[in-house]
Amino acid sequence: DTAVSQTPKYLVTQMGNDKSIKCEQNLGHDTMYWYKQDSKKFLKIMFSYNNKELIINETVPNRFSPKSPDKAHLNLHINSLELGDSAVYFCASSQGENYGYTFGSGTRLTVV
Amino acid sequence: GENVEQHPSTLSVQEGDSAVIKCTYSDSASNYFPWYKQELGKRPQLIIDIRSNVGEKKDQRIAVTLNKTAKHFSLHITETQPEDSAVYFCAATPGSNYQLIWGAGTKLIIKP
Repeated sequence: DTAVSQTPKYLVTQMGNDKSIKCEQNLGHDTMYWYKQDSKKFLKIMFSYNNKELIINETVPNRFSPKSPDKAHLNLHINSLELGDSAVYFCASSQGENYGYTFGSGTRLTVV
Repeated sequence: GENVEQHPSTLSVQEGDSAVIKCTYSDSASNYFPWYKQELGKRPQLIIDIRSNVGEKKDQRIAVTLNKTAKHFSLHITETQPEDSAVYFCAATPGSNYQLIWGAGTKLIIKP
């Protein structure tokens, strides 16, 4: 009964490949997020969806494309992976404005 | 837009002593201030939060104080224990667009 689950937990892939990370929440939250955490630990917002609608689309390369088939799922597809994409990617969800986030366990992406 | 600054970046305290981490924010419209703890290799987890209509909130050994006039808020941990070692993040939300603005994190080290 994990609240926010992400798969896979680890992803090692070669430069130029395309990969996807999946996220699902069973909390009934309306809002979901993708964050990137680099080696310096800074949490950088990438995207946010509220009820399947894209509401935050920060300056990220257009090789990154989110998809929300329903409000419980938010997937992240990355095309043409680069070395600089190596990081931990966290999915999160919240009830909405002014509520805390529940994070998934993270996906450690390593591009070689 | 909102900007959140967090100090110090690293804090080392003796086990049993208190630790204080401070954050300042720029947008006076911000009204929700959560704190997250991230242990090594784990997800960030919400440990305490405060809303702008409250000056202080406590939960066992942790407390958060908010000074709206000075636009700063602080996390206080008393009687620190080894399991308090982690990176702590503060955040603020301007109350629109569902986005939290994050501090850069504080690495708390508890010395035995």
